[in-house]
Amino acid sequence: AQKITQTQPGMFVQEKEAVTLDCTYDTSDPSYGLFWYKQPSSGEMIFLIYQGSYDQQNATEGRYSLNFQKARKSANLVISASQLGDSAMYFCAMRVGGGSNYKLTFGKGTLLTVNP
Amino acid sequence: NAGVTQTPKFRILKIGQSMTLQCAQDMNHNYMYWYRQDPGMGLKLIYYSVGAGITDKGEVPNGYNVSRSTTEDFPLRLELAAPSQTSVYFCASSYSGSNQPQHFGDGTRLSIL
Repeated sequence: AQKITQTQPGMFVQEKEAVTLDCTYDTSDPSYGLFWYKQPSSGEMIFLIYQGSYDQQNATEGRYSLNFQKARKSANLVISASQLGDSAMYFCAMRVGGGSNYKLTFGKGTLLTVNP
Repeated sequence: NAGVTQTPKFRILKIGQSMTLQCAQDMNHNYMYWYRQDPGMGLKLIYYSVGAGITDKGEVPNGYNVSRSTTEDFPLRLELAAPSQTSVYFCASSYSGSNQPQHFGDGTRLSIL
């Protein structure tokens, strides 16, 4: 069975500093994808970044990058130059297998607070 | 662009009542999903659909039903509301393709009293 673990219930970071949010995953399928979503206090889910298991390079998207360590089964989200608007809940999610299986398994999330 | 639209945003139900949560998307996505999010938890998949007329169970389908008569709409039905169904419900949609992100609606906050 697939499992996503986010071990940090809460994280604090100073504005303009970088922060890393941890995500480890467990699957025996060689084909999988990892997604990060942001959920502000308003409640909507916002897609941030994607990493495929066969991607050769770590994904980047603006201030977001993914530190993908396949052997360790980790896919940590790095936010550079934190902004007050980055304060939110962050979820790591995994899709396993190919074909028509696009179901996501979510972690429990990490609450990030950016301090001025 | 409207994206994924969920109605209502909030609802209070009495135990045993039924209701339908509406979800519509205007992105011509094949795939649609229903999740629930309990306090302090991630999202859990209730049902999903890979196209009109095709639906399948997710991780927590008990107490719910869905239908997909059109590409755009994917309503979720609660037949006999129970307190355990108090949650925030999210509808999402995506293109087919393993690297395609799911796009979420704003959620429906449902309380069963």
